[in-house]
Amino acid sequence: DAKTTQPNSMESNEEEPVHLPCNHSTISGTDYIHWYRQLPSQGPEYVIHGLTSNVNNRMASLAIAEDRKSSTLILHRATLRDAAVYYCILVGTNAGKSTFGDGTTLTVKP
Amino acid sequence: NAGVMQNPRHLVRRRGQEARLRCSPMKGHSHVYWYRQLPEEGLKFMVYLQKENIIDESGMPKERFSAEFPKEGPSILRIQQVVRGDSAAYFCASSGLAGYNEQFFGPGTRLTVL
Repeated sequence: DAKTTQPNSMESNEEEPVHLPCNHSTISGTDYIHWYRQLPSQGPEYVIHGLTSNVNNRMASLAIAEDRKSSTLILHRATLRDAAVYYCILVGTNAGKSTFGDGTTLTVKP
Repeated sequence: NAGVMQNPRHLVRRRGQEARLRCSPMKGHSHVYWYRQLPEEGLKFMVYLQKENIIDESGMPKERFSAEFPKEGPSILRIQQVVRGDSAAYFCASSGLAGYNEQFFGPGTRLTVL
C-alpha cells in the first residue's frame, strides 16, 4: 500500500499561513491525494483532494509537486478553529483501502 | 441534506457480548467504509463495501468481525464476543460515484467494553 509521511506536529500563529507537508514517494499514477482533518471527539472532515494540478477551495489550497511524490496543504489564514489533526492519504481509483497515517497535529496560537 | 449517520453514538458492552454498529450513508451514496480509531491513534481502515458486496476487507480482523451493506437499510458492523481491546471509536464514511471521490464521515460510535 502506498504510504504517506507527515510531521507529527506543527505550530502556527493565528491569522498566519500554514503549510502542512506530506511525502508520498511510492504514489502510483492513479492515486489521488486527499486531505482530511479531525477535531477532538469528532469524525474526520474532508478538506481537499487532487491528482496532478494544484487545487483551491474555500477551505484550503493543495500544492502537488511535479513528480507527485509530495504535496502541501496550505491554510491561508489559520484560525483557532483550524487546530486539528490533519491527515494526508492516497486513494486509488479502485477505492478500497485508504491508509490513514498518524497525521500532523496542528496547534494554532492566538 | 442529512450527512452520514451512525448509531448508537456510544455503546457499552461486557466482554463476550455482541456489538452492532449501524451506518446510514449520505443520500445517493453507495460506497461505505468502516474505520477504527484506538485512543490516541490514527484511523485504521477496516472494510469497504458497496451495496450488497464487500469490496475490500483487508483491514478486518479475521475472527469475530463482520460487515454488511444490504440492498435496503444501513450498513452494519458486527463484533461478536467483544474483548476489551475492541474498545475504540468506529467511524463510517460514504462516498458517491467512485472511490476516488471525497469520503464523508459520520460522528462515530464509541464502543466501550467492560
